[in-house]
Amino acid sequence: DTEVTQTPKHLVMGMTNKKSLKCEQHMGHRAMYWYKQKAKKPPELMFVYSYEKLSINESVPSRFSPECPNSSLLNLHLHALQPEDSALYLCASSLKFGAEANYGYTFGSGTRLTVV
Amino acid sequence: AQSVTQLDSQVPVFEEAPVELRCNYSSSVSVYLFWYVQYPNQGLQLLLKYLSGSTLVKGINGFEAEFNKSQTSFHLRKPSVHISDTAEYFCAVSDRRDDKIIFGKGTRLHILP
Repeated sequence: DTEVTQTPKHLVMGMTNKKSLKCEQHMGHRAMYWYKQKAKKPPELMFVYSYEKLSINESVPSRFSPECPNSSLLNLHLHALQPEDSALYLCASSLKFGAEANYGYTFGSGTRLTVV
Repeated sequence: AQSVTQLDSQVPVFEEAPVELRCNYSSSVSVYLFWYVQYPNQGLQLLLKYLSGSTLVKGINGFEAEFNKSQTSFHLRKPSVHISDTAEYFCAVSDRRDDKIIFGKGTRLHILP
């Protein structure tokens, strides 16, 4: 299995809703990432998990809450989002996180989120 | 901190013609360099990467890139493009102190029939 699987592919939610995005990989990767991509823009890093522990939070608002229950699964919990949070949310994984271990990331197809 | 600049936001090219997508980086330390492709409504796929060694890197789908340390460039080339190469191409850099990948703004490759 050489894929990162993201569900759902599309999500529409109201500003008072609570929803979750799911990301799964079975490649034995121990680093997982959340990126946000607005239309016609590059992906922007949100969170990095290394060995199921949060390593980097790029000053993301608390209405986004990541969770890594095990080495294969990464969730992004969403609550009280704003319309400007509408974007493509990409999950990625890599073998490891840290210097001298950068072999490139494997990305999922993303969840297209619309906040109404 | 490292950064990457893609000089062209869009590159039109005729089918079966060669193409070069330009990328320049800035970093005070040694870097890893990547090219990713994003097809419409999809995630990113790794085309090729430079970690060390030979400066000419070959990737998937007939693409190659050359690392030029003196010019701090990592341009992507393909000798003959196909309509299926229509996509957004992102150059990315990671320095050797951590594993964060920083993306350029992207270049849209538009293939003309």
